[in-house]
Amino acid sequence: DQQVKQNSPSLSVQEGRISILNCDYTNSMFDYFLWYKKYPAEGPTFLISISSIKDKNEDGRFTVFLNKSAKHLSLHIVPSQPGDSAVYFCAALTDSWGKLQFGAGTQVVVTP
Amino acid sequence: NAGVMQNPRHLVRRRGQEARLRCSPMKGHSHVYWYRQLPEEGLKFMVYLQKENIIDESGMPKERFSAEFPKEGPSILRIQQVVRGDSAAYFCASSARQGAYEQYFGPGTRLTVT
Repeated sequence: DQQVKQNSPSLSVQEGRISILNCDYTNSMFDYFLWYKKYPAEGPTFLISISSIKDKNEDGRFTVFLNKSAKHLSLHIVPSQPGDSAVYFCAALTDSWGKLQFGAGTQVVVTP
Repeated sequence: NAGVMQNPRHLVRRRGQEARLRCSPMKGHSHVYWYRQLPEEGLKFMVYLQKENIIDESGMPKERFSAEFPKEGPSILRIQQVVRGDSAAYFCASSARQGAYEQYFGPGTRLTVT
């Protein structure tokens, strides 16, 4: 039962432009969301998170937007840099133990 | 400040053998989560442990899989009688407290069953 979905498996963007990654969820009980970045042969690295009491959280070049009514969140990276080329996972915190449910990931390629 | 350590990084086993995957959490962390990533998929939760206790094993197959986190030493994920479908990347993550929103992941163990 896939409750967190990333429908775009890949995204190609030019260096300097904005990258927009999308994530949808089905469980309205989810109230905390995280984005992780993953390079090949490494573990995921925490990037940014957002609580359902907010609709936006910003950290440097990264901004996450949450639309609770649409059960949709997005990650904006601006400006995109070559080092941003990685797989990005959206995740939802599903319980008080800290269990995360991940989307399938979006491969971002930043071209010169 | 060492991060989460996992070993081995790569493990090859023949069908029917046992696989043991180890995870040493970050210093000061006593909560460990194991996730599995199948090809072309996201990470899927397997089990959550605290020192000497299994808290939530709802994502772990009922047979052949077991996990422990002893008082001393690393957390171990054990897979008995491996099958080809067990081939995946296994990641562990640690956190400093229960329900911590930010979990720190290790580099993973890539298990290949031949």
